[in-house]
Amino acid sequence: DADVTQTPRNRITKTGKRIMLECSQTKGHDRMYWYRQDPGLGLRLIYYSFDVKDINKGEISDGYSVSRQAQAKFSLSLESAIPNQTALYFCATSGQGNSPLHFGNGTRLTVT
Amino acid sequence: EDQVTQSPEALRLQEGESSSLNCSYTVSGLRGLFWYRQDPGKGPEFLFTLYSAGEEKEKERLKATLTKKESFLHITAPKPEDSATYLCAVQLGGSNYKLTFGKGTLLTVNP
Repeated sequence: DADVTQTPRNRITKTGKRIMLECSQTKGHDRMYWYRQDPGLGLRLIYYSFDVKDINKGEISDGYSVSRQAQAKFSLSLESAIPNQTALYFCATSGQGNSPLHFGNGTRLTVT
Repeated sequence: EDQVTQSPEALRLQEGESSSLNCSYTVSGLRGLFWYRQDPGKGPEFLFTLYSAGEEKEKERLKATLTKKESFLHITAPKPEDSATYLCAVQLGGSNYKLTFGKGTLLTVNP
């Protein structure tokens, strides 16, 4: 089983719809992250959480919100999806300090 | 502005043809430099962390090196299964967390 599981793997939605992407992990890490990957732009940080009561904005948080339901669960919501949010979304976890990130296999989101 | 630049954007090699990928950075106060491998349809997979100039790490056919301004990922006698996108990322010191990724190098190794 994957250590970091993202659901769904693919999602097509329409402009204006609210959607939620979910992430769960079995690595026992406190730190969790949401990244977005676009061709030619690389990976960019949306939100991150260092523990259940800690939520921080990343470099591109506008239009997104997150919820840390438990140590192992971190969800990303798009309140009103727009086409330029079409991208590949990755959840990641890490241990303390400068431990490396461990990524899920991504959710491919298309907003029409 | 902190920047991470990877070159080349794409590289085609013949099986057994050694080469290097470059990651240059302009950040100050580097805390760590990370290399990842990403296969199509999958998330990035961690390869190495380098912390200080002069440090080297090896794994199978891959060796990562670090200077004060750049890192190289050397690929010795590559095989087709080494084909992937290779990403580097830098982490700054002095902040809770900030990881800046490069755009990656797409490596294709032909049999």
